[in-house]
Amino acid sequence: DAGVTQSPTHLIKTRGQQVTLRCSPISGHKSVSWYQQVLGQGPQFIFQYYEKEERGRGNFPDRFSARQFPNYSSELNVNALLLGDSALYLCASSLDGGLNYGYTFGSGTRLTVV
Amino acid sequence: QKEVEQDPGPLSVPEGAIVSLNCTYSNSAFQYFMWYRQYSRKGPELLMYTYSSGNKEDGRFTAQVDKSSKYISLFIRDSQPSDSATYLCAMSADTNAGKSTFGDGTTLTVKP
Repeated sequence: DAGVTQSPTHLIKTRGQQVTLRCSPISGHKSVSWYQQVLGQGPQFIFQYYEKEERGRGNFPDRFSARQFPNYSSELNVNALLLGDSALYLCASSLDGGLNYGYTFGSGTRLTVV
Repeated sequence: QKEVEQDPGPLSVPEGAIVSLNCTYSNSAFQYFMWYRQYSRKGPELLMYTYSSGNKEDGRFTAQVDKSSKYISLFIRDSQPSDSATYLCAMSADTNAGKSTFGDGTTLTVKP
């Protein structure tokens, strides 16, 4: 079975631009969470979606938005990019958001803002 | 102050050593305690999780939670070079791992 797929793997953007990151969860998984991992730090929770509804939001500005599609894939959008948005963006999928049936991360999208 | 503090490392041990990785936390609401392993250029991989206080063993790995001290540990027995990675602790108030709070990780190197 394919794992969690994230695209693109790397990208470079200029300050002020907008970016869209994509995540395809494991087949059958209905929950997707997004995290930001700055170099040398642990992942920070950004959003969780379950059954296409937002289930939670971390302490991130409104420049960050996300959505989940009927096939349970998800997009994370970041507007008006800042240098501080440079990080590894991780997507994790699970059946229902819980731990009992597996909780799997993708390899992430490395975003560099210049 | 962060809700979850993790021993920063880095940690370097010889092959076969017992490794102890530790985290402290301040939020009494945390009930689920997770350990992840993250290899370079990869996403975190869930190793194991425990609920409330107590111990849990899985092969060479043992997770220990002391809620009274707000202290958790991961022990690795007979460490192998393949265990070289960054280890992250994470915690949540309920089984919804999707909103977990992570520590900043400890980088472990096991030397042959």
